[in-house]
Amino acid sequence: QVQLQQWGAGLLKPSETLSLTCAVYGGSLDLYYWSWIRQPPGKRLEWIGQINHSGSTNYNPSLKSRVTISVDTSKNQFSLNLSSVTAADTAVYYCARVVGGGLQKHWGQGTLVTVSS
Amino acid sequence: EIVLTQSPGTLSLSPGERATLSCRASQSVSSNHLAWYQQKPGQAPRLLIFAASSRATGTPDRFSGSGSETDFTLTISRLEPEDFAVYYCQQYGRSPSITFGQGTRLEIK
Repeated sequence: QVQLQQWGAGLLKPSETLSLTCAVYGGSLDLYYWSWIRQPPGKRLEWIGQINHSGSTNYNPSLKSRVTISVDTSKNQFSLNLSSVTAADTAVYYCARVVGGGLQKHWGQGTLVTVSS
Repeated sequence: EIVLTQSPGTLSLSPGERATLSCRASQSVSSNHLAWYQQKPGQAPRLLIFAASSRATGTPDRFSGSGSETDFTLTISRLEPEDFAVYYCQQYGRSPSITFGQGTRLEIK
């Protein structure tokens, strides 16, 4: 059974860059896309983007200018960078494995990222 | 972008009752690529239903999905105590751009 474990800084100042990493255990990065989703407090889930093992990416148009998702197949990990953060980027961030063309089947535990001066 | 609107915002029911949750899309969802997720406090969402009506592995058969194009429904036939949670619909028909509804909170009456 695949498991995803994520980590990264939980407190940022405005204008800093958010960096999170998700490690995949019990499965290879091959054959699937891997995504990042976030959930601001009390708000709906928001899809950030996805990547496959060869580095092919798709991003949410509303975040595209600030987002970079990368993959490290040697470590079986993928990462999220979100630049120039503001308070509006405060959210729980999740990594997930994508199946069936867009379903988030397996999820990481979530990381609360707070942006505050 | 397809906007998903869920109703009601909050649904108060008792164990044993039937729950009906609605998800309406601003445009037709292609190939019925509509999913439902359950989220409990402090947990990641869990996939329940995909392709509008197919149960994911491990989803109890008291959960059923229906609908097409712009109107979709999640029905829980007889509520169990563990079913009280927040439910989100998601469209993945316009993949790779994916959107979620704002959620329906199912609470114990």
